[in-house]
Amino acid sequence: SQTIHQWPATLVQPVGSPLSLECTVEGTSNPNLYWYRQAAGRGLQLLFYSVGIGQISSEVPQNLSASRPQDRQFILSSKKLLLSDSGFYLCAWSGSLSNNEQFFGPGTRLTVL
Amino acid sequence: GESVGLHLPTLSVQEGDNSIINCAYSNSASDYFIWYKQESGKGPQFIIDIRSNMDKRQGQRVTVLLNKTVKHLSLQIAATQPGDSAVYFCAEKPLRENTGNQFYFGTGTSLTVIP
Repeated sequence: SQTIHQWPATLVQPVGSPLSLECTVEGTSNPNLYWYRQAAGRGLQLLFYSVGIGQISSEVPQNLSASRPQDRQFILSSKKLLLSDSGFYLCAWSGSLSNNEQFFGPGTRLTVL
Repeated sequence: GESVGLHLPTLSVQEGDNSIINCAYSNSASDYFIWYKQESGKGPQFIIDIRSNMDKRQGQRVTVLLNKTVKHLSLQIAATQPGDSAVYFCAEKPLRENTGNQFYFGTGTSLTVIP
């Protein structure tokens, strides 16, 4: 069966520090991968998605970036965090075919102080 | 652009009653819809989906209705239980090429079940 992992589960970082969140998927190959951010009491905002290694599409301009160094690994990064980067970050995967549901990881709670 | 929103941000129901959560979507060309359940501090979990060529789909205790005429989606939960307390999101997939199977999510409805 497929599983999706995210780490760390929680993170507290000072403003201006770098960020690296990791997401890995097991039990499937060539998945579509997604990074979402969820502010408190809000919906999910799609940040990045990837349909293959090295292929990243960005949905919103910001100081975050994403990379996909391996088929089942998706990394969210920042060189300098802002206070507004605080939130709940969710990684998701789906099959590569159209109209496949997305499966979400457990999320990372990021607090920028 | 696409937008998906929910009519009721919060909903409280008595245990054992039926719950109805509503969602409006704006893109008439969307062809796939999903309802997710998110418990506090966890990632969303898939509940049920429906494709645009259907108007109703039933699962275990849940039913999704799709009205394409008014671009409305609803989730019905039968015999609501305390474990159903969570935030429920509808998600819409626009019919576009090269979208990487993207979904657009509503802001969510918080369901509280009163024992």
